[in-house]
Amino acid sequence: DIVMTQSPDSLAVSLGERATINCKSSQSVLYSSNNKDYLAWYQQKPGQPPELLIYWASTRESGVPDRFSGSGSGTDFTLTISSLQAEDVAVYYCQQYYSPPLTFGGGTKVEIK
Amino acid sequence: EVQLVESGGGLVQPGGSLRLSCAASGFTFSSYWMSWVRQAPGKGLECVANIWQDGSEKYYVDSVKGRFTISRDNAKNSLYLQMNSLRAEDTAVYYCARDRGPQGYFDLWGRGTLVTVSS
Repeated sequence: DIVMTQSPDSLAVSLGERATINCKSSQSVLYSSNNKDYLAWYQQKPGQPPELLIYWASTRESGVPDRFSGSGSGTDFTLTISSLQAEDVAVYYCQQYYSPPLTFGGGTKVEIK
Repeated sequence: EVQLVESGGGLVQPGGSLRLSCAASGFTFSSYWMSWVRQAPGKGLECVANIWQDGSEKYYVDSVKGRFTISRDNAKNSLYLQMNSLRAEDTAVYYCARDRGPQGYFDLWGRGTLVTVSS
């Protein structure tokens, strides 16, 4: 199974400042035949189900604000919130879909400083 | 409205059984892979099972193989999870999720149903 490791476990950022979340996979999730990274990011607010933010490592889902961006390739990925808003307080998860079983990172909790 | 609505959760004793259902609406259910993803209290996400559009292919995480069975009824726009031989560690909120797959990422989630395994 591909193990997804996120860091940090939590971070506190001031409103309007940048938040950066890292995700590392135990093996590459880059599929060479189409040059795509099989990596997604989700946001989960308290008491709610997760919501898809990013897929193919850097493609924003429709309706997701452009302050959210994804980057990286192979085994190392980053989710960046360029200017943190109050409504961004949540837990963020990465997920690989390169090979079954589909696996998630342990989550990163983002709070306001 | 495009949505998924789970039902069937509850309190069950260790070794017992439960059947979860997920009603889909607002989209062509038969065109999508579907999955069950669970979240233990205060913990992260785990995809426990997924199923091909016509139900011909199914995948399970090792921890539930032989105990859980995923199925679907495309005529009723419904997804199911039959859970047998339940253990305390199966306690979780179970989410139904639409998979923009095959075996891909999840672009639509239900609100979940809580399964508690306890004596």
